[in-house]
Amino acid sequence: QKEVEQNSGPLSVPEGAIASLNCTYSDRGSQSFFWYRQYSGKSPELIMFIYSNGDKEDGRFTAQLNKASQYVSLLIRDSQPSDSATYLCAFWDSNYQLIWGAGTKLIIKP
Amino acid sequence: NAGVTQTPKFQVLKTGQSMTLQCAQDMNHNSMYWYRQDPGMGLRLIYYSASEGTTDKGEVPNGYNVSRLNKREFSLRLESAAPSQTSVYFCASSRQGASTDTQYFGPGTRLTVL
Repeated sequence: QKEVEQNSGPLSVPEGAIASLNCTYSDRGSQSFFWYRQYSGKSPELIMFIYSNGDKEDGRFTAQLNKASQYVSLLIRDSQPSDSATYLCAFWDSNYQLIWGAGTKLIIKP
Repeated sequence: NAGVTQTPKFQVLKTGQSMTLQCAQDMNHNSMYWYRQDPGMGLRLIYYSASEGTTDKGEVPNGYNVSRLNKREFSLRLESAAPSQTSVYFCASSRQGASTDTQYFGPGTRLTVL
């Protein structure tokens, strides 16, 4: 059974601080990893995509991938109240399907 | 561009009733997907269509059927609804279905089966 594990939260972070979200996955053959953001009652939207070991930065967001340890993380710098949402981690498995975690609920406190 | 559209937005069914969820995309994508999302669980793939004319089962296909009507449209049918099918249903599309492709989601259909 291929799985993605995420802490369900909620994770509460003060405005302006760094929010750190983590995800572990079971399939060692996974090549591509995605972070999606989902606001309450809305559909998921892509935040970051990463496939190489190391860091990938896009504005206030940094994705970190460690294939040897089978984890991927998302850092949000200078957190804003508008970042309050559920963050979904997903990986592309060998059957060409996205396997999704249940998500971490992030709350940014003003 | 509207992106991915879904109808209806909300639906209440009685056990045993049937219905079809409609999905359309205007991004000229080849691949389309149907997911369900339940509280505390990740998105689960019901069916997908890698390209026009093909459909394949995902993780949870039982109780559902799909039709890829043309390149734009991909419908999901519940033949005899059950309370276990109460969920939020998302349609998504991607350019080629490759491992580097982004999936774009529709707004969802919130289905309650009584």
